Amino acid sequence: DAKTTQPTSMDCAEGRAANLPCNHSTISGNEYVYWYRQIHSQGPQYIIHGLKNNETNEMASLIITEDRKSSTLILPHATLRDTAVYYCIVRQSSNTGKLIFGQGTTLQVKP
Amino acid sequence: EPEVTQTPSHQVTQMGQEVILRCVPISNHLYFYWYRQILGQKVEFLVSFYNNEISEKSEIFDDQFSVERPDGSNFTLKIRSTKLEDSAMYFCASSRTQGIETQYFGPGTRLLVL
Repeated sequence: DAKTTQPTSMDCAEGRAANLPCNHSTISGNEYVYWYRQIHSQGPQYIIHGLKNNETNEMASLIITEDRKSSTLILPHATLRDTAVYYCIVRQSSNTGKLIFGQGTTLQVKP
Repeated sequence: EPEVTQTPSHQVTQMGQEVILRCVPISNHLYFYWYRQILGQKVEFLVSFYNNEISEKSEIFDDQFSVERPDGSNFTLKIRSTKLEDSAMYFCASSRTQGIETQYFGPGTRLLVL
């Protein structure tokens, strides 16, 4: 699975969009980009995933660049409850299933 | 919405004792996983399990660890003789299939070994 790079921490004002970047420059054609988050030592929570097209669900949007070397997770209207560590994970479709977590980005949403 | 559940939420044990952590995966899921997170560190994969067999295990998952699906609903992680360094949050996860299928995590069991 390709390696990912994320900023260690970010701040966002409540009600504003939070844009969390992820670099995965070594991603290959059959690898998906997944985002999970972990709120204060709770179990990781699935947010969204994508292969090459942009994706949107009720939680967030995922924007993947055309060359697929980077992506951005967008929380459109961040709330205090979105304060968490956000993990960008690249996985192969043939992967046995294990998720490899990095250090992630600690997002602090401020009032 | 179906959830993965774990019991107990907290467990305190003495070094050398055996502990069993329990998980109830989402009912139509076939693949099960255990992860752990030592305080302040990354979430680490321990083991994956399918069709009553271990599919993959990490270096952490040594002979002190075992997993079992004793019935149609529970999935357990046993640590035979706990060490101080086993103190961590242990998360169970499940997915319908493997590969890129989404994994859903339980709330975790906080294990403290004294």
